[in-house]
Amino acid sequence: KNEVEQSPQNLTAQEGEFITINCSYSVGISALHWLQQHPGGGIVSLFMLSSGKKKHGRLIATINIQEKHSSLHITASHPRDSAVYICAGADQFYFGTGTSLTVIP
Amino acid sequence: NAGVTQTPKFQVLKTGQSMTLQCAQDMNHEYMSWYRQDPGMGLRLIHYSVGAGITDQGEVPNGYNVSRSTTEDFPLRLLSAAPSQTSVYFCASSYVSGREQYFGPGTRLTVT
Repeated sequence: KNEVEQSPQNLTAQEGEFITINCSYSVGISALHWLQQHPGGGIVSLFMLSSGKKKHGRLIATINIQEKHSSLHITASHPRDSAVYICAGADQFYFGTGTSLTVIP
Repeated sequence: NAGVTQTPKFQVLKTGQSMTLQCAQDMNHEYMSWYRQDPGMGLRLIHYSVGAGITDQGEVPNGYNVSRSTTEDFPLRLLSAAPSQTSVYFCASSYVSGREQYFGPGTRLTVT
């Protein structure tokens, strides 16, 4: 069993929809990263959070350390949001397998 | 700043050959790491370094060596390539462990 579980594995949305990707973990993580992997393969860090909520543009990430759960929300989704979203423990030994998001115009 | 650079972008090796994947960063980051990414497996940590002269094993270190003689460079050596090492390899760096990571563009390696 993977220590970090993401859901859903695949997600297709219409442009403009509100999207939620979930991450649950079974190990002790003091903080969590959300990463975005573009179709071309490049990986960028979106957020690192240890409590509460962070917002960057149309992206919002929340975490509940006690419940071992984090969510990534995308408001007003756009085709350019199509990517794989990966959550990872901050100690970098634990990665989810990713959520593949496709936003259709 | 160039960020994190990796060379080569693509490589094909025959079983038993050795090679070095290069990784360099110009952000003066102390922490550097190597991952491999396989379909359905997610990213897995191979080796990491918390500073020049200090390296340690990650989740899947077998068949790989690393060294960190400078802050900037963190090469990954495949000692005797095997088909199971066919993967996409990413190098990453951060100011310290646990902080925001910056990833290189990746090296796609095929071992035949």
